[in-house]
Amino acid sequence: DSGVTQTPKHLITATGQRVTLRCSPRSGDLSVYWYQQSLDQGLQFLIQYYNGEERAKGNILERFSAQQFPDLHSELNLSSLELGDSALYFCASSVDPGLANKEQFFGPGTRLTVL
Amino acid sequence: AQRVTQPEKLLSVFKGAPVELKCNYSYSGSPELFWYVQYSRQRLQLLLRHISRESIKGFTADLNKGETSFHLKKPFAQEEDSAMYYCALSSLNFGNEKLTFGTGTRLTIIP
Repeated sequence: DSGVTQTPKHLITATGQRVTLRCSPRSGDLSVYWYQQSLDQGLQFLIQYYNGEERAKGNILERFSAQQFPDLHSELNLSSLELGDSALYFCASSVDPGLANKEQFFGPGTRLTVL
Repeated sequence: AQRVTQPEKLLSVFKGAPVELKCNYSYSGSPELFWYVQYSRQRLQLLLRHISRESIKGFTADLNKGETSFHLKKPFAQEEDSAMYYCALSSLNFGNEKLTFGTGTRLTIIP
């Protein structure tokens, strides 16, 4: 599959714990975006990386952090988890956000459940 | 601040009837508008963008800057159009490419 991949598909953990979500962008895409989708809310932008550097930040909590590695995969770290962090976390990638074509390609998502 | 509003959470339309999914936005700069769609058990994917002025799967959307709207339309609904539709906005400026999504509209086509 040459599309965006995310692991794991599902994650169940307890409050106070820390988890890491992983995303591999499409081959050739330099930009990675993270979104959170909670119940009753649309997709909320968390953070964007471009070629290893942070490009834009949204409503990302201080308990959350992310990075993009030299091979362009990205990880989203969520710590001190709370019940309200239960959500679908999507990763998306795009070729070069500076171009007119800004299509973002989405992964299947990781469903996080905090008990 | 960027904001996208989709007033209808649910919309049911008979097969063959016209479809219109509403989207309004607020943004102080030059926006780029998109419609993304998620079919059952599939990934979120781009349906169309205003800059391309294209028709995809019979859907069209016109950017109305005066009314700050980007409604999605199709003259004759088909059963395979049943899906979740999200309107999204991005800046045209380099360095600010995040997508701001609406809360989505679930479209159900009644056979």
